[in-house]
Parts: sequence; structure tokens; C-alpha cells
Amino acid sequence: GENVEQHPSTLSVQEGDSAVIKCTYSDSASNYFPWYKQELGKRPQLIIDIRSNVGEKKDQRIAVTLNKTAKHFSLHITETQPEDSAVYFCAMDSNYQLIWGAGTKLIIKP
Amino acid sequence: DAMVIQNPRYQVTQFGKPVTLSCSQTLNHNVMYWYQQKSSQAPKLLFHYYDKDFNNEADTPDNFQSRRPNTSFCFLDIRSPGLGDAAMYLCATSRDRSAQETQYFGPGTRLLVL
Repeated sequence: GENVEQHPSTLSVQEGDSAVIKCTYSDSASNYFPWYKQELGKRPQLIIDIRSNVGEKKDQRIAVTLNKTAKHFSLHITETQPEDSAVYFCAMDSNYQLIWGAGTKLIIKP
Repeated sequence: DAMVIQNPRYQVTQFGKPVTLSCSQTLNHNVMYWYQQKSSQAPKLLFHYYDKDFNNEADTPDNFQSRRPNTSFCFLDIRSPGLGDAAMYLCATSRDRSAQETQYFGPGTRLLVL
């Protein structure tokens, strides 16, 4: 079945540095790739998404890139801040539901 | 303003004692989802309602049931909770039945089974 592989499972970066999380997928029919941020004990929240007709999308310090040919997409966070500490999930659409990656725990070191 | 509301936020139940979790929404969305999330894992879809049409995931245990009496409310019933059912239960909504529609999550109900 369709799946999404997400790496790394844990990422520790110095405050102010950049963080990159990558996901690869198998379903070439997927066209929608959201990223969710989940802080400890809280709900997942959509932070950015990208559709297959574009290769990159930016929103302030956050950007997502998509390579449909290679079937991978990445989340880029620049100038990381303590409040960026959370678990980040990539996902993709498959029929009527989202297929989720396993998550990346991002740790921002002061 | 709260858009997807879940009650209670924390629920403690006894092994085998039925429990009901509640979700309500003010978005007037057609689709309501129930997810189970265990520690450090991705949310796992249990089922969803598209309007009144109930859709169960193939691997959702029979122990889990759901009701949607109207557009605003959806309930998750766990008939005989086991220790393995302890988890965070997340309700989400979307405007339409397409995975390309943004899903809005409630704050979750953390279930503890004693």
C-alpha cells in the first residue's frame, strides 16, 4: 500500500541554525503534501502544504520543496527558535485520507 | 474561537467499562474524523463520517464505534476498553471528502485505562 517514509526520526539543531526534514513516498498519484506540527500534549496543526503543480512554497521561515519525479518532499525551517521544538509530521493524500509519516522530533538547543 | 471541541480532555476508565468521547464543531464541515494517536506515533485513522455516511477503516477493531447524530456532533464509543486502547483520541473535520482539504484537529481526549 501507499506509505510515506520520514527522516530523521530525531533532529537536534542549534538555535538559529536551519533544520531540514525529508519524506519520500510511493504513490505517484498523490498531489497534496501537508506538514503538521504537534507540540507536546497538543493537537497537530497544519503549518504549510504544497500541491503537485508547484515545486516550492515559502511562508516566512518555513518552506517546503517537492520533487514529484523523485517522489520526495522536504520541510525547511530557517533561523530556528525555541518555539520550533515539536514533532513534525509529513503527509500525503491517498484517496480520501491522509497517509502520515512517522514523525520527526525537532529539538532546538539554546 | 474554538472550532473543534473535544470533551472531556482527559478520561479515565476501567478495563472493560464502556466509554464515550465527544466531539463538536462550529465550522459546519461535512466530514468528521476520529484518529487514535499513541505516544510518539502518527495519528491513525479509525473512521470518518462524510455527512451521514459512515466509513470504517479496515483495521479498526470492532470495539470502536461511532455516531454522528447531526452535523455538529460526533461520538466515539469504545465498548470494552483494553489496556492497549489507552491513547490520545483526536477528532478532526474537513469541509469536504478530499484529502486535499485541510483537516482541523480538536485538542484531543487522553484516555487512560486502569
